[in-house]
Amino acid sequence: EIVMTQSPATLSVSPGERATLSCRASQSVSRRLAWYQQKPGQAPRLLIYGASTRATGIPARFSGSGSGTEFTLTISSLQSEDFAVYYCQQYDNWPLTFGGGTKVEIK
Amino acid sequence: EVQLVQSGAEVKKPGESLQISCKVSGYSITSHWIAWVRQMPGKGLEWMGIIYPDDSDARYSPSFQGQVTISVDKSISTAYLQWSSLKASDTAMYYCARIGSGGFYSNGLDVWGKGTTVTVSA
Repeated sequence: EIVMTQSPATLSVSPGERATLSCRASQSVSRRLAWYQQKPGQAPRLLIYGASTRATGIPARFSGSGSGTEFTLTISSLQSEDFAVYYCQQYDNWPLTFGGGTKVEIK
Repeated sequence: EVQLVQSGAEVKKPGESLQISCKVSGYSITSHWIAWVRQMPGKGLEWMGIIYPDDSDARYSPSFQGQVTISVDKSISTAYLQWSSLKASDTAMYYCARIGSGGFYSNGLDVWGKGTTVTVSA
């Protein structure tokens, strides 16, 4: 099973600042990597798939990069609605697996 | 509009059986895999398994193999997650979600249901 490790567990950022979230896979997943955002009391929402393709309706301030085992989600200028938990997920190998999540909180 | 509408919250006792549902609309259920994802209280997301409604091909993550059953009735565009004997540790939020075009090795979960809360307590 591919283990997805996200860091940091919690990221404290001021509104308007840049946030950089990391996701590492225990073996290569090529670019088969998705990112999700989950706000309290809500279902997750797909942000990025294919490591760097924004899903429909996702603002351009969200960007994904990486391949193989190292991936990054960048939020260029944090808005109030972006404070949430973010999960990465690989879909290269069964069983498909999620990372443990990074909580982005207001500094 | 594509929607996945999940059944309501359940409160059950250990040992009881349960089936929760996920009714899709706005697209043909036979065209996309559907996934089930567990989220225990205060915890992260766990991939349980998937089903392809066109032929009922179901795959399970090892942690959930034998613990749950995923099924579908394509005539009513509904997927199901079933337990034969619940445990307290099954207490969680359960989400169904659609896998995007191309299959489960091609895409993420692009549309989600709102979740079904399952509480198992004596």
